[in-house]
Amino acid sequence: GAGVSQSPSNKVTEKGKDVELRCDPISGHTALYWYRQSLGQGLEFLIYFQGNSAPDKSGLPSDRFSAERTGGSVSTLTIQRTQQEDSAVYLCASSLMGPGNEKLFFGSGTQLSVL
Amino acid sequence: SQQGEEDPQALSIQEGENATMNCSYKTSINNLQWYRQNSGRGLVHLILIRSNEREKHSGRLRVTLDTSKKSSSLLITASRAADTASYFCATDPQGAQKLVFGQGTRLTINP
Repeated sequence: GAGVSQSPSNKVTEKGKDVELRCDPISGHTALYWYRQSLGQGLEFLIYFQGNSAPDKSGLPSDRFSAERTGGSVSTLTIQRTQQEDSAVYLCASSLMGPGNEKLFFGSGTQLSVL
Repeated sequence: SQQGEEDPQALSIQEGENATMNCSYKTSINNLQWYRQNSGRGLVHLILIRSNEREKHSGRLRVTLDTSKKSSSLLITASRAADTASYFCATDPQGAQKLVFGQGTRLTINP
């Protein structure tokens, strides 16, 4: 596609349920990033993929969070047993090669609300 | 803690005036970028300045970088109502495989 696509754009779930967020990066971009943004706050780094591997998972808040990327393309961020503090906008970005002198292209995000 | 910190947190000016936002960071970097965010969703890249550069221009945007002070500034000249948005600086710390964002400056341009 022309840009980074994220789905769903909005997700409302009940506390304790699992959710899956999807990111479809720009075709040919090898690097993919997940960030989280709470209301009125900056972006919190979650995880970075180079191809299908994740050199940096340091930002994942807990073991309830996991992410995978298949075929060097689509990525899924999974949150198990959601908590109210997981409510935020989850942003995905991609870049051509990886961190370093490259700009990131962002999707429009998934607004997650945990009731 | 966040690598980059912007100030002010919020800025409100009249249309036509210049807007200046500042960013400070903590560790050595490879480059610094500025992004714009409308309505709390996707960010759009504005400009990238490398660590060996001191100033860069793009249209009405002017970015400076002072690596000795670990700071950068973004100047928007002749502001327009459409410039209303949040602006974030992002750094690429040496040795870190990620782009680290600051808390952002919320800019409001009053018609």
